[in-house]
Amino acid sequence: QKEVEQDPGPLSVPEGAIVSLNCTYSNSAFQYFMWYRQYSRKGPELLMYTYSSGNKEDGRFTAQVDKSSKYISLFIRDSQPSDSATYLCAMMGSGYALNFGKGTSLLVTP
Amino acid sequence: DTGVSQNPRHKITKRGQNVTFRCDPISEHNRLYWYRQTLGQGPEFLTYFQNEAQLEKSRLLSDRFSAERPKGSFSTLEIQRTEQGDSAMYLCASSSVGEFSPLHFGNGTRLTVT
Repeated sequence: QKEVEQDPGPLSVPEGAIVSLNCTYSNSAFQYFMWYRQYSRKGPELLMYTYSSGNKEDGRFTAQVDKSSKYISLFIRDSQPSDSATYLCAMMGSGYALNFGKGTSLLVTP
Repeated sequence: DTGVSQNPRHKITKRGQNVTFRCDPISEHNRLYWYRQTLGQGPEFLTYFQNEAQLEKSRLLSDRFSAERPKGSFSTLEIQRTEQGDSAMYLCASSSVGEFSPLHFGNGTRLTVT
C-alpha cells in the first residue's frame, strides 16, 4: 500500500460546479500538505500548502486537512474550463522528500 | 525570477547511451531536488541537495544515476547505460531555506529510451 492514495479519476464536471478532490495517507508523521496542478507536458505548479490540520482559503480554492482521519481535500468553487488539469496532492514529514499521490484528472466542460 | 529552468525539454536516446540533464533553480533557492514521473503516476523523489551537498538519495537512484551541484547553483543529472525503463519525465524543483518552504518545479525533461 502506498503512503498516499488518490483516486485518479477522471472527474468530469460542468463549468461553475464545485469540485472536491481528496487524498488519504497512512504516515502519521506527515505534517506539511500541498496541492499541485499539472497541465499536460508541464511541471507541477504549486496551488496551496498547509501545515497540520485546518482550513486554508485562496480565492476559489480551499484546502482542508484532517490529521485525525489522515484525509486532505481541495475544493474548487465556480470551476472553469481552464481548471482542467491533473491535481496532485503531496505530503512531507520531517525529511526532505515530498510524497505524491497519483493525481486526479479533472475536466471542466463549458 | 524566471522560475526553475530545465534543459533539454526532450531527449530521445538509444538504449545503452549516457544522457545528462541540467537544472537551473530559482536564483535565491539553496535547496534543489530531482524527481521522476512516469505516465499516470505522481512524481517520485530521487535526490536532494542543500547548496552543493547531496544530503538525501532515494533507493530509486541506482548506480547508473549520478547527480551533482558543483557550485551550489545549477545541477546535472546523468544516467549511464540507459535502459528502456528509464523513460520518464525528470523534474527538478527548488526551495528556499527555512523549516518548510514549498517546492517549485520546472517543466521537466522528457526522456525516451528506444
